[in-house]
Amino acid sequence: GAVVSQHPSRVICKSGTSVKIECRSLDFQATTMFWYRQFPKQSLMLMATSNEGSKATYEQGVEKDKFLINHASLTLSTLTVTSAHPEDSSFYICSAREGSDTEAFFGQGTRLTVV
Amino acid sequence: AQTVTQSQPEMSVQEAETVTLSCTYDTSESDYYLFWYKQPPSRQMILVIRQEAYKQQNATENRFSVNFQKAAKSFSLKISDSQLGDAAMYFCAYRLRLGGGADGLTFGKGTHLIIQP
Repeated sequence: GAVVSQHPSRVICKSGTSVKIECRSLDFQATTMFWYRQFPKQSLMLMATSNEGSKATYEQGVEKDKFLINHASLTLSTLTVTSAHPEDSSFYICSAREGSDTEAFFGQGTRLTVV
Repeated sequence: AQTVTQSQPEMSVQEAETVTLSCTYDTSESDYYLFWYKQPPSRQMILVIRQEAYKQQNATENRFSVNFQKAAKSFSLKISDSQLGDAAMYFCAYRLRLGGGADGLTFGKGTHLIIQP
């Protein structure tokens, strides 16, 4: 299958700082990218959907000013957690899809710890 | 809104035996996909099997097969000849087939599958 690379795999940041997570499709053009959040021993929850060149669509309850998503190219989407707090500590996973009727592939995930 | 329910938090099976993981979902749509994903300790999401709702035939992938009952909104996963490498969290997921941008995956809470050697 296609490869989606997510970076970094782990990051620790201080409370109040911002952290950026990158999601890249390596061998296909990702017209749509998704960002999920997974708390320990829980399921994945969709945070937002982004289409290349458009503003992201956020799920209900997700603060768009806190979780900034940029999908400026067909191979790169970024998630920036602004003014991070300990409660933002979680596992963040991206997925990318080439067309509307194709499979989405997942990145390896990023474990964010805010101290 | 659609929901996905996995009623088995944990299942255990002997190696080489067969196990079935349950999943039910609720949707008012008729055109959608259903998936089973495997998440090993590495936390990389791995697609196990996919079913298109418009297809009556149950999907199969080697040792993995599904029992898709559209009217009952049921989508169970059968793993035959269980192997130690099958041990993982298994998530059932749903998405609209053509959602016009609103077609991210909705996941169930997962089933932790343990393989007894």
